[in-house]
Amino acid sequence: AQKITQTQPGMFVQEKEAVTLDCTYDTSDPSYGLFWYKQPSSGEMIFLIYQGSYDQQNATEGRYSLNFQKARKSANLVISASQLGDSAMYFCAMREGSGQAGTALIFGKGTTLSVSS
Amino acid sequence: DTEVTQTPKHLVMGMTNKKSLKCEQHMGHRAMYWYKQKAKKPPELMFVYSYEKLSINESVPSRFSPECPNSSLLNLHLHALQPEDSALYLCASSPNGNQPQHFGDGTRLSIL
Repeated sequence: AQKITQTQPGMFVQEKEAVTLDCTYDTSDPSYGLFWYKQPSSGEMIFLIYQGSYDQQNATEGRYSLNFQKARKSANLVISASQLGDSAMYFCAMREGSGQAGTALIFGKGTTLSVSS
Repeated sequence: DTEVTQTPKHLVMGMTNKKSLKCEQHMGHRAMYWYKQKAKKPPELMFVYSYEKLSINESVPSRFSPECPNSSLLNLHLHALQPEDSALYLCASSPNGNQPQHFGDGTRLSIL
């Protein structure tokens, strides 16, 4: 079974609109972390936002927020007021365990977001 | 500009060549990672170094040989690669698992 599932291969949104990218995860470890990364066509992986399993509040970073629903095991990324520069591939990733140095990330398959004017 | 520097940005090599990819970070991170990424696919973990020791090798073929000379530097030595090894190779570093991994811009490798 996949540990990280991103069910939307592609999403389309107009500038200034909000968009939600879905991510569900599967783990039996009570301690875990969830990350979202953005990868433009140029290739660099850009960290966007992090949510720890014990965090009480949903994470927010500027226009990015993470809708964390622990019971449903979902960690959806919400981008408000989309911009043309948001067009990229978005990856959801999970770290299992307490977070020692060198803990590997498990990536989902990604969602390609296209923003139009 | 990223805080993890990878060189070269592009590399074209024949199947009999030997080359190396270099990754450098000066953030004091104690874990460093190599990933391989094919187009429109997620990164695939290859190797993890923790405190300069190899901690994870994801059954990578021996034609890929990692090296961590010090806490700031990570190399990936390449020898006798195959055309299917053509990909984007990403390096990352992190202080611990709770903090995000910081990625370099990657090296685009083409095997002729």
